[in-house]
Amino acid sequence: DTGVSQDPRHKITKRGQNVTFRCDPISEHNRLYWYRQTLGQGPEFLTYFQNEAQLEKSRLLSDRFSAERPKGSFSTLEIQRTEQGDSAMYLCASRPDGINQPQHFGDGTRLSIL
Amino acid sequence: GQQVMQIPQYQHVQEGEDFTTYCNSSTTLSNIQWYKQRPGGHPVFLIQLVKSGEVKKQKRLTFQFGEAKKNSSLHITATQTTDVGTYFCAGLTGGSYIPTFGRGTSLIVHP
Repeated sequence: DTGVSQDPRHKITKRGQNVTFRCDPISEHNRLYWYRQTLGQGPEFLTYFQNEAQLEKSRLLSDRFSAERPKGSFSTLEIQRTEQGDSAMYLCASRPDGINQPQHFGDGTRLSIL
Repeated sequence: GQQVMQIPQYQHVQEGEDFTTYCNSSTTLSNIQWYKQRPGGHPVFLIQLVKSGEVKKQKRLTFQFGEAKKNSSLHITATQTTDVGTYFCAGLTGGSYIPTFGRGTSLIVHP
């Protein structure tokens, strides 16, 4: 079990630029989640995949956000035309199939918008 | 939508004192999970409660799930500096694979 891997760990960019983050889940986990976390808050759900299918996306999520999991393995999260309010920690988590399974989180990508 | 509220937001204790955090859901849950996040780290799964009235223990940590499956608590006996971190509850409703996290309780232990 090599754990959930996220890249990069930190990203600093200017407002208006596009950014892309990558998540490599634990290999046998077919369910993958993206969350956003800001200081003093719990992880906020963004989107969720079962294998390559994106099953749910938060209604609060801007159209500037898009996620893919093309082969049901790694996933990418892209933010277009970044805004100051996008500054946060972006967490990826994976879990095996079946009910009552815990999520395993990666170390996250910290995004700072200048 | 489902809401999960957690109190207190912060708790300062002297090492050796006990600590409790409470979690309340606006809807009945199918199960509840607890996670710990160390400063600068990521959430790490601690435990899951499924049954009404369930109580589980992990060394000095005691987890409870309410009879109505709408509230839960985590109690730490005789805190240690290694207990420092933020404790999150995450509730799931029937059939959903998407947990709703509380905002967490940050535990600060003074030696």
